Amino acid sequence: QQQVKQSPQSLIVQKGGISIINCAYENTAFDYFPWYQQFPGKGPALLIAIRPDVSEKKEGRFTISFNKSAKQFSLHIMDSQPGDSATYFCAASIGGSYIPTFGRGTSLIVHP
Amino acid sequence: NAGVTQTPKFQVLKTGQSMTLQCAQDMNHEYMSWYRQDPGMGLRLIHYSVGAGITDQGEVPNGYNVSRSTTEDFPLRLLSAAPSQTSVYFCASSDQREGAYEQYFGPGTRLTVT
Repeated sequence: QQQVKQSPQSLIVQKGGISIINCAYENTAFDYFPWYQQFPGKGPALLIAIRPDVSEKKEGRFTISFNKSAKQFSLHIMDSQPGDSATYFCAASIGGSYIPTFGRGTSLIVHP
Repeated sequence: NAGVTQTPKFQVLKTGQSMTLQCAQDMNHEYMSWYRQDPGMGLRLIHYSVGAGITDQGEVPNGYNVSRSTTEDFPLRLLSAAPSQTSVYFCASSDQREGAYEQYFGPGTRLTVT
């Protein structure tokens, strides 16, 4: 049973475009929603994270939008660049838990 | 700080062989975990540890053993390698950030079992 569903599995965007990756969760006890970025040949690294008390969090070109009632959250990458080409994982955890539940990942390719 | 280190980076095994994947962290994190990454399957938790001497199973523990004798080291042992264990393995340690736990991943070990 997949507790965090991520889509799409792969995404191709032109340079300068907007990349959007969506995640949906089932467990309403989740209260921390991080996104991890993984470049080829490297381990994932934390990119940005949000808690459900806010609907949006922005860091540079990266924005998380959060919809608590729909149990959905999404990552928006504005002005996408070839250097953003990577695999992105959404995740969810319950505050005191050190083991998050990961989505299956989205492979993003940004064409120059 | 070196962060989380893993060795080897690449390994080829024959079916039935055993080996140990090494993982070490120098951040004094209590929590460590092992994941495998397969295409389309994301990151699946194999085993985790909440401190020295304490380990527990994750989602896909069969065929793997772990031990945690020190805070720094968390090796993963493959008892009798099978082709289904061909994967990329990531070790991670966890630390609190904004009241929740952030995962710090190592660079991975790419394992092929023939």
